[in-house]
Amino acid sequence: EAQVTQNPRYLITVTGKKLTVTCSQNMNHEYMSWYRQDPGLGLRQIYYSMNVEVTDKGDVPEGYKVSRKEKRNFPLILESPSPNQTSLYFCASRGTISEQFFGPGTRLTVL
Amino acid sequence: QKEVEQDPGPLSVPEGAIVSLNCTYSNSAFQYFMWYRQYSRKGPELLMYTYSSGNKEDGRFTAQVDKSSKYISLFIRDSQPSDSATYLCAMSMFSGGYNKLIFGAGTRLAVHP
Repeated sequence: EAQVTQNPRYLITVTGKKLTVTCSQNMNHEYMSWYRQDPGLGLRQIYYSMNVEVTDKGDVPEGYKVSRKEKRNFPLILESPSPNQTSLYFCASRGTISEQFFGPGTRLTVL
Repeated sequence: QKEVEQDPGPLSVPEGAIVSLNCTYSNSAFQYFMWYRQYSRKGPELLMYTYSSGNKEDGRFTAQVDKSSKYISLFIRDSQPSDSATYLCAMSMFSGGYNKLIFGAGTRLAVHP
């Protein structure tokens, strides 16, 4: 079954404590991306990757890092989380434009 | 001004009603137009996509694109309680070597029995 998995699904943390949200896909897609979803603002792209070792900033990259060492994995790193990064995060993997799959989401709360 | 505007709703309709969801956009470079459905506590899933102006039908769903007016619509016929979800429009344009997706804020739909 084609799928994108994310972990953890829920996370409550404190300001400044580094965290990583993992993302993995089993479809051999080259393109992967991270979004955050906030009420009234919709989905906004944080970072994307077009292939292994190729990453670039999306529309809201400040405070985030990513890496793409393997094709299937695309972790999102918050080195010093702040309360304004409290949000719902989605990882996505895409073959063609009509084959974009989203993960189940990670709800992050930064106190 | 946002590139993609979508009324957030919520929209509440009785079962069996015809639902119309809409988005407007400002960038004429958008080429692909999509509708995603997102159930509560789930990731968005692609419902329909179109490339050009006109209509595309899939069962009870019809997607309509009017490029001259920069307006897209999703119609749901014979709506069911299981259609209750948030519907996100999305549009793509080729930028920086890849197809970048821009999403609307989403419209929350509730279909009550």
